[in-house]
Amino acid sequence: GAVVSQHPSRVICKSGTSVKIECRSLDFQATTMFWYRQFPKQSLMLMATSNEGSKATYEQGVEKDKFLINHASLTLSTLTVTSAHPEDSSFYICSADRGDSYEQYFGPGTRLTVT
Amino acid sequence: RKEVEQDPGPFNVPEGATVAFNCTYSNSASQSFFWYRQDCRKEPKLLMSVYSSGNEDGRFTAQLNRASQYISLLIRDSKLSDSATYLCVANSGGGADGLTFGKGTHLIIQP
Repeated sequence: GAVVSQHPSRVICKSGTSVKIECRSLDFQATTMFWYRQFPKQSLMLMATSNEGSKATYEQGVEKDKFLINHASLTLSTLTVTSAHPEDSSFYICSADRGDSYEQYFGPGTRLTVT
Repeated sequence: RKEVEQDPGPFNVPEGATVAFNCTYSNSASQSFFWYRQDCRKEPKLLMSVYSSGNEDGRFTAQLNRASQYISLLIRDSKLSDSATYLCVANSGGGADGLTFGKGTHLIIQP
């Protein structure tokens, strides 16, 4: 199998606080992990590509200082939303690339609500 | 800008009918294509990859037309459980590239 977990599944935080979301590949080592964001009735939008041991590559328009990504091991990537604001409320989904095909394996997502 | 365009629907289809979706992609360098299924408030799940030669998986058939840069999905003998949003997806090359998702086509199968 190729299972990816995310934690937490749901989080509510106050404006100005920081939130950390974890993405783990449970039964494989992920050469690359990706972070997406999905607003209601919108498509998933790639935020950044994360490679273990190196700096993440951010998509145009995504602030790297606001969305901190750490990929400390081949099974764990974290996304920290710093100084969250209500407009950051969204569904954040990670995916992992096992390196043996084009397929990506998605985590169950984290629903962030900033009040 | 890499884009994938789909008709958002909704497509209201009676159970047992055949339904087809198309999507177009703008990045001519895209090399791999997929259809994902997303249920409400859930993560997307891979339905099938799409190859130039066309591929079939049970009731589902996917086709890729590189010359016209469009991808299709055909669902035969639709079931109530097929109700979902179908996402057309392309990437730009090797496995290290992120995926570009269409906004999805919403399908409702009616009893």
